[in-house]
Amino acid sequence: NAGVTQTPKFQVLKTGQSMTLQCAQDMNHNSMYWYRQDPGMGLRLIYYSASEGTTDKGEVPNGYNVSRLNKREFSLRLESAAPSQTSVYFCASSVRLAGLNTDTQYFGPGTRLTVL
Amino acid sequence: TQLLEQSPQFLSIQEGENLTVYCNSSSVFSSLQWYRQEPGEGPVLLVTVVTGGEVKKLKRLTFQFGDARKDSSLHITAAQPGDTGLYLCAGAGLPMGPIYNQGGKLIFGQGTELSVKP
Repeated sequence: NAGVTQTPKFQVLKTGQSMTLQCAQDMNHNSMYWYRQDPGMGLRLIYYSASEGTTDKGEVPNGYNVSRLNKREFSLRLESAAPSQTSVYFCASSVRLAGLNTDTQYFGPGTRLTVL
Repeated sequence: TQLLEQSPQFLSIQEGENLTVYCNSSSVFSSLQWYRQEPGEGPVLLVTVVTGGEVKKLKRLTFQFGDARKDSSLHITAAQPGDTGLYLCAGAGLPMGPIYNQGGKLIFGQGTELSVKP
């Protein structure tokens, strides 16, 4: 099992360019998430998908769009990149812990994005 | 404003020392998790605590959930260089706000960067 995979690992964009970050999981999880991580701010939720065919905004969705292509794949798109979107982006999937009302989240290795 | 405040944000200690990291909130969570993140990788779950006052031990790491389920602590005994990393607390089941009050979504603290020197 590869777990959660993300591509690319690194990307440099110019302001105004667009790109799509890809994420896939092979654990048959229903829920998937996109976070950004900035120094001193922890992880902030951008979008999430509770199941195939559904997506919802998180804490910081402005400037991003997502697609839950199928149960395995959840992509994040920047239509017109801005320097404020320079960050490390993490994709995660989750499974409900047995007997609990909370999930364990499994994270990918991250994509380091720089917008000039 | 962070809903989950971690302290300290940075900690540099010598091998063998003890340390405690705190995660505080004014809100009640149904559960709280601790993750550890190494450079260049994603966070990995260490523990989940769900009951007020619960204490869990993972080798030299001791995790405690506050009685009121608003805060948590991570204590490391005799720290080793291999403990170096970013420690993140994350709360689930926040009772207010539409984003985090369902299922698997978590709200993260800002993290504590720990460096243990040989």
